Amino acid sequence: SYELTQPPSVSVSPGQTARVTCSGDALPKKYVYWYQQKSGQAPVLVIYEDSKRPSGIPERFSGARSGTMATLTISGAQVEDEADYYCYSPVTSGNERVFGGGTKLTVL
Amino acid sequence: EVQLVESGGGLIQPGGSLRLSCAASGFPVRSNYMSWVRQAPGKGLEWVSLLHSGLSAYYADSVQGRFTISRDNSKNTLYLQMNSLRVEDTAVYYCAREGYSYGLGGSGWYFDLWGRGTLVTVSS
Repeated sequence: SYELTQPPSVSVSPGQTARVTCSGDALPKKYVYWYQQKSGQAPVLVIYEDSKRPSGIPERFSGARSGTMATLTISGAQVEDEADYYCYSPVTSGNERVFGGGTKLTVL
Repeated sequence: EVQLVESGGGLIQPGGSLRLSCAASGFPVRSNYMSWVRQAPGKGLEWVSLLHSGLSAYYADSVQGRFTISRDNSKNTLYLQMNSLRVEDTAVYYCAREGYSYGLGGSGWYFDLWGRGTLVTVSS
């Protein structure tokens, strides 16, 4: 079955740049989406179609995709950005939906 | 306001049944792809089931044959009937609307709206 691989954790100090990666064999063919999930809350879409930000998402959030890798970048990470981040990409065929395993971002 | 509100979770014994509801407002469920996604305690997101606007239904292998997704257009509500529940079904269950991306970068479905979730605990 299709898999998306993320590092379990990333840690940065406030103001530093945080990068969360996501790898998958089908990424060259499909957009990547990123969801932020703060403790006890529902996921929130922060990046769609690789690099677009939904309304209300701060400009410090950006995304990129190249080959089999996608990266979520938080430039000047804030304490309030501490959360779990999940990548998602549509499968190339069929109706399964697959998330990456999630990355816990610590900002302290 | 466009939103999804789940309900119906609770404590249930192994082997029992439970029906979750997801009330939508601000858009018609019947015109959208709708999914259930769950999250076990301390774990990641796991897709559970999808209902196409045309009523085709799909399930993760882990729930195939035990769960049934459906909707009531008159109530604008999505459901998840869960039978033969197992301890490993314990999770927060989220309802999510799907949107579609068109583009040279690789079109496909994604989750563009989530509910707050409802907790299902399967335990004796």
